[in-house]
Amino acid sequence: GQNIDQPTEMTATEGAIVQINCTYQTSGFNGLFWYQQHAGEAPTFLSYNVLDGLEEKGRFSSFLSRSKGYSYLLLKELQMKDSASYLCAVTDSNYQLIWGAGTKLIIKP
Amino acid sequence: ETGVTQTPRHLVMGMTNKKSLKCEQHLGHNAMYWYKQSAKKPLELMFVYSLEERVENNSVPSRFSPECPNSSHLFLHLHTLQPEDSALYLCASSPQRGSGANVLTFGAGSRLTVL
Repeated sequence: GQNIDQPTEMTATEGAIVQINCTYQTSGFNGLFWYQQHAGEAPTFLSYNVLDGLEEKGRFSSFLSRSKGYSYLLLKELQMKDSASYLCAVTDSNYQLIWGAGTKLIIKP
Repeated sequence: ETGVTQTPRHLVMGMTNKKSLKCEQHLGHNAMYWYKQSAKKPLELMFVYSLEERVENNSVPSRFSPECPNSSHLFLHLHTLQPEDSALYLCASSPQRGSGANVLTFGAGSRLTVL
């Protein structure tokens, strides 16, 4: 079966750095997405990786290793507003989106 | 505002009621989706419409009935629901289906409680 694994919850301190990991086993691979979802709000697109390596967008970076079935989202200089759930999703060979259950990130002052 | 608007934001219904969820997108997208989001579970794809034609129905019970009258509007009609159907129902749209970099734009969801 197809599966996406990510930690259920993480806690970090304001101003620090946090890495949220995502591992996947899917039938084929056509890209990996990260979405951010604040409580009671819509998930919003953060990043898309289809080739190995690191993509940087301001304070957020996303890394992909296709050979290891692994990605991470790196958040730097954490702010209180970064408290949210982070959803990892993979597009398989049929272009179906396979979702992880999300990682709830709690930022403490 | 994401460009995808869902109403109502909250809905409480009894098991014998009939209600509808509405979704509207102002992005000119050709594909629209209904997802179910339950606590600590992955998003579950329910239905996909592409150019107003239903292209996916992921073994969803018949008590959920989608309708897509045009490319900007999507409805989810609900009848004789069960308490386990209580969840957040998310609508999403995308420019098209069937590509790797198919970014979804979501609405804020309709929180459904079935008593």
